[in-house]
Amino acid sequence: SQTIHQWPATLVQPVGSPLSLECTVEGTSNPNLYWYRQAAGRGLQLLFYSVGIGQISSEVPQNLSASRPQDRQFILSSKKLLLSDSGFYLCAWSDYQETQYFGPGTRLLVL
Amino acid sequence: QQQVKQSPQSLIVQKGGISIINCAYENTAFDYFPWYQQFPGKGPALLIAIRPDVSEKKEGRFTISFNKSAKQFSLHIMDSQPGDSATYFCAASTGSGGSNYKLTFGKGTLLTVNP
Repeated sequence: SQTIHQWPATLVQPVGSPLSLECTVEGTSNPNLYWYRQAAGRGLQLLFYSVGIGQISSEVPQNLSASRPQDRQFILSSKKLLLSDSGFYLCAWSDYQETQYFGPGTRLLVL
Repeated sequence: QQQVKQSPQSLIVQKGGISIINCAYENTAFDYFPWYQQFPGKGPALLIAIRPDVSEKKEGRFTISFNKSAKQFSLHIMDSQPGDSATYFCAASTGSGGSNYKLTFGKGTLLTVNP
């Protein structure tokens, strides 16, 4: 069966510091991968999606970037965090069946 | 045209009651409509999904009703339990025929079921 992992689970970072969040999927090949951000008590905002290695589409212009160095690995990065980057970051995967399956999330607090 | 409008924003129901959450969309190209359940601090989990070729789908206490002409769909939770207290999101996608499936989400409904 398929499993999706995210780490770290929680992260507290100072403003201006770099960021790297990692997501890996097990049990499937060539999945579509997604990064979402969820502000407290809010809905899901799609940040990036990827249909293959090295293929990244950005939905919202901001100081975040994404990379997909391997088929089942998706990384969210920032060179300098802003206070507004705080939130709950969710990775998701889907196959040809369209359903997206979400990971456990990373809670990021920028101070 | 890509929006999915979800209501109510919050809902309080007594144990054993029926919880009803509604969603409306404009894009007639949407052809897949999932509902997700999210508990605090957890990622959303797929609850139930429907395609527009059926008007209703039931899984246990959860039912999706779909009205294609009105471009509306709703989630009904029968015999609501305190363990159902969570945030519910409706979503829609136009993935058929393509290899990239992007979901458009509603803003969520916070359901509280009182014991």
